Amino acid sequence: GESVGLHLPTLSVQEGDNSIINCAYSNSASDYFIWYKQESGKGPQFIIDIRSNMDKRQGQRVTVLLNKTVKHLSLQIAATQPGDSAVYFCAAASGGYNKLIFGAGTRLAVHP
Amino acid sequence: EAGVAQSPRYKIIEKRQSVAFWCNPISGHATLYWYQQILGQGPKLLIQFQNNGVVDDSQLPKDRFSAERLKGVDSTLKIQPAKLEDSAVYLCASSLSAGGNYGYTFGSGTRLTVV
Repeated sequence: GESVGLHLPTLSVQEGDNSIINCAYSNSASDYFIWYKQESGKGPQFIIDIRSNMDKRQGQRVTVLLNKTVKHLSLQIAATQPGDSAVYFCAAASGGYNKLIFGAGTRLAVHP
Repeated sequence: EAGVAQSPRYKIIEKRQSVAFWCNPISGHATLYWYQQILGQGPKLLIQFQNNGVVDDSQLPKDRFSAERLKGVDSTLKIQPAKLEDSAVYLCASSLSAGGNYGYTFGSGTRLTVV
């Protein structure tokens, strides 16, 4: 069946370094992708999204890269801060009904 | 803008008991979703409503789970009877529309523990 997966369950970085979190998806019909941040006890919080007609999108300190050829996307966080510590999920959708398929998540730990 | 409201925040019940969760979406959001998030996993869609109609309930265990969205606003999700494997966080989300404009917003969830 359709799946979305992250390459690493945990990622540890030093404060100030750049972080890269990777994600792979299986459904070539997926046309919309979202990265979410989830802190303990809270629901997922939208970070950035990208549609399949783009290969890069930038936000504030975050960049999402999409490689449709290998069905891979990544989230880059510049100058990682302690407040960035959380679990990060990628999600993929296809068609018009907003059904999101989530990956298992990567826990980002930022050390001072 | 007020967010997606869910209650209760926590619930502990014994197996075979019933439980209900409530969700109030963002005002004007036509689409409402219930997700189940088991510890250590990503959220899994249980059911999706467009206004008060069901769009997708393919992953809802219909022998024990039910959901309704009366008047196209608030929604309740019920489990009866609960099993140990239903222990999870139940997340409600809403979006403006079902196509093109996603704009998902999640609530904080209800953490259910079945003992």
